[in-house]
Amino acid sequence: GAGVSQSPRYKVAKRGQDVALRCDPISGHVSLFWYQQALGQGPEFLTYFQNEAQLDKSGLPSDRFFAERPEGSVSTLKIQRTQQEDSAVYLCASSPTNGLATIYEQYFGPGTRLTVT
Amino acid sequence: QQQVKQSPQSLIVQKGGISIINCAYENTAFDYFPWYQQFPGKGPALLIAIRPDVSEKKEGRFTISFNKSAKQFSLHIMDSQPGDSATYFCAAPLTDDKIIFGKGTRLHILP
Repeated sequence: GAGVSQSPRYKVAKRGQDVALRCDPISGHVSLFWYQQALGQGPEFLTYFQNEAQLDKSGLPSDRFFAERPEGSVSTLKIQRTQQEDSAVYLCASSPTNGLATIYEQYFGPGTRLTVT
Repeated sequence: QQQVKQSPQSLIVQKGGISIINCAYENTAFDYFPWYQQFPGKGPALLIAIRPDVSEKKEGRFTISFNKSAKQFSLHIMDSQPGDSATYFCAAPLTDDKIIFGKGTRLHILP
C-alpha cells in the first residue's frame, strides 16, 4: 500500500518568505509527527497530532512555525518569515496507534528539503 | 536536555565484516530502544528494536545488545553487505509519545 507522502520534495525560499509543507499520512493512521532533520543530524521532534488534536508542540523552535491537521488526515507545517537556520529536511511520520504505542510503530515519509537563501 | 550519544560518527567496514555502532543514553521514559536505517533521500525506517525484558535481540544479521546498568545499547551487523551502506540512528523514548534520536552513524561497506 501507499506509504507516507510529502510535498514538495524540495523547496527553495528566499529569506522572509512563508512556506507550507504538506504531509499525507498512511490512510487511517491516528497519529502524525513532524520532525526537523538538519544536515548530518538525527531527526528532532517538532510536534505531534492525535487525529486533529495537536497534543504536543513543544519542539516547534519559534512562533514562526505552525502546524495543523484540521480533518485528522493531511497535515501542513507552515513556516512564516523563513530564516537561513530553518534550512533542513522536514520529515513527517504517521502511526496507526496512539499514546504509548505510537513510538513503537512510526512510518516516515521521504521528507521535504527546505533551503532558505 | 536528554541526550542519546551515538558513536562512531562514521564507519567503514569490509564486506563480510561486523559493523558495530554504540549508543549511550541518560534517563528515559521507559526501556525501549529502536534503531532506524536511513538511505539518502529517504525517511528513516525502523530496523530493529529491543524492549526491557531481554538483553539481546537478533533479527537475521542484525543484533541489538542492551546493558541497562551501563545505560548503553549497541547494534551489530554481521556479514555486512554493500546494501547495508546507510546512516543508522539509535533512539530512546523521551516521553510516551516522543522519541529522541542520536546524531547518526554513516556506515559504508566496501565491496
